[in-house]
Amino acid sequence: GAGVSQSPRYKVAKRGQDVALRCDPISGHVSLFWYQQALGQGPEFLTYFQNEAQLDKSGLPSDRFFAERPEGSVSTLKIQRTQQEDSAVYLCASSLTYYTDTQYFGPGTRLTVL
Amino acid sequence: DQQVKQNSPSLSVQEGRISILNCDYTNSMFDYFLWYKKYPAEGPTFLISISSIKDKNEDGRFTVFLNKSAKHLSLHIVPSQPGDSAVYFCAARPDRGGGSNYKLTFGKGTLLTVNP
Repeated sequence: GAGVSQSPRYKVAKRGQDVALRCDPISGHVSLFWYQQALGQGPEFLTYFQNEAQLDKSGLPSDRFFAERPEGSVSTLKIQRTQQEDSAVYLCASSLTYYTDTQYFGPGTRLTVL
Repeated sequence: DQQVKQNSPSLSVQEGRISILNCDYTNSMFDYFLWYKKYPAEGPTFLISISSIKDKNEDGRFTVFLNKSAKHLSLHIVPSQPGDSAVYFCAARPDRGGGSNYKLTFGKGTLLTVNP
């Protein structure tokens, strides 16, 4: 595809449910990032992959959050036992190389936890 | 603590006039700055960037100015067009030679409305 795609675009979960959010980066992009954007805030860094290696997960809010990119392409962000404070837009971005300045963002997944 | 601050939540200008969006930062390790534009229900789109070795970068109607001593940057849009109406995010990252130079820190954004 031409850009970064994410699915689902919208997700409603009951508190305590597990959710999985998918990101398809631009083909050939080595680096992949996840961000969380709460209402009225800017995106906040969650985690970074270089190919299949998760090099930085310092932004993950708790051990309920888990991300993977097993084949160095598609990535999944999983949230276990969702809480209301997890409600946010989850953005995925990719960039061509580690040193490239430009991160290209997907449209995001809006997660609402009831 | 907010390391990148956009103190104006919103800005309204007339079509054809100049739009000036401001951004301040506190982390001295930041040395590369970017502006992203975001329409509703879409992801942020890269607009323009500037390295700390420069004080100005221009791309068509968009110019970013950096005042490193004041830790301040601004985005100028001239002339403003209704299609420029969007949320604008300022972002920054550390020095290339340091660690975590891929990690962008964003401000809260400024909603720009350009009235016809």
